Amino acid sequence: NAGVMQNPRHLVRRRGQEARLRCSPMKGHSHVYWYRQLPEEGLKFMVYLQKENIIDESGMPKERFSAEFPKEGPSILRIQQVVRGDSAAYFCASSSRLRDRGVNEQFFGPGTRLTVL
Amino acid sequence: AQSVSQHNHHVILSEAASLELGCNYSYGGTVNLFWYVQYPGQHLQLLLKYFSGDPLVKGIKGFEAEFIKSKFSFNLRKPSVQWSDTAEYFCAVKFGNEKLTFGTGTRLTIIP
Repeated sequence: NAGVMQNPRHLVRRRGQEARLRCSPMKGHSHVYWYRQLPEEGLKFMVYLQKENIIDESGMPKERFSAEFPKEGPSILRIQQVVRGDSAAYFCASSSRLRDRGVNEQFFGPGTRLTVL
Repeated sequence: AQSVSQHNHHVILSEAASLELGCNYSYGGTVNLFWYVQYPGQHLQLLLKYFSGDPLVKGIKGFEAEFIKSKFSFNLRKPSVQWSDTAEYFCAVKFGNEKLTFGTGTRLTIIP
């Protein structure tokens, strides 16, 4: 009964490289959320996806960042041409389609800590 | 703008002391409220949640929280803390959509 899986747990990139972060939701979950935690700050929402659809990307930077959740396989958060300011912990959460009195609880993964040199 | 505030950034308590962590939000509509905990080196875990009904909610590990609508608050409480409660605590709110808006977190240190 695995929870939300994220890999890698730690990722080091040099400025200008690409970072790919993966998230496998809990079994049976079809909703995925990505959050970013900068040092000394709380988590900030980035994007909400369902299978093959981006539902809400209001928290995504307009450039260099993209996310997908294909029909098969994990959700991917991609950061192109990384800069030092992208260094942060990136958390993925998932929830089920079924609603518990109108509220879906989000279950979080362990996060990927991205360090940009 | 919709926001969540946690005014206590770092709280230090001795074991057996009582705990109250503040959480306020700015929004007049329907909200769903959550407290998450992050133990050192671990991922976020849900402590408790409120979406309707009794405004006093019980969570895991002896934690509880009270939703006071008139004060836009959802403070977390525990009558007697333990060393193992050392962690970071995050209040989070759903403002009528699916995404969670988090407070900046409160780091709790319990001294044995």
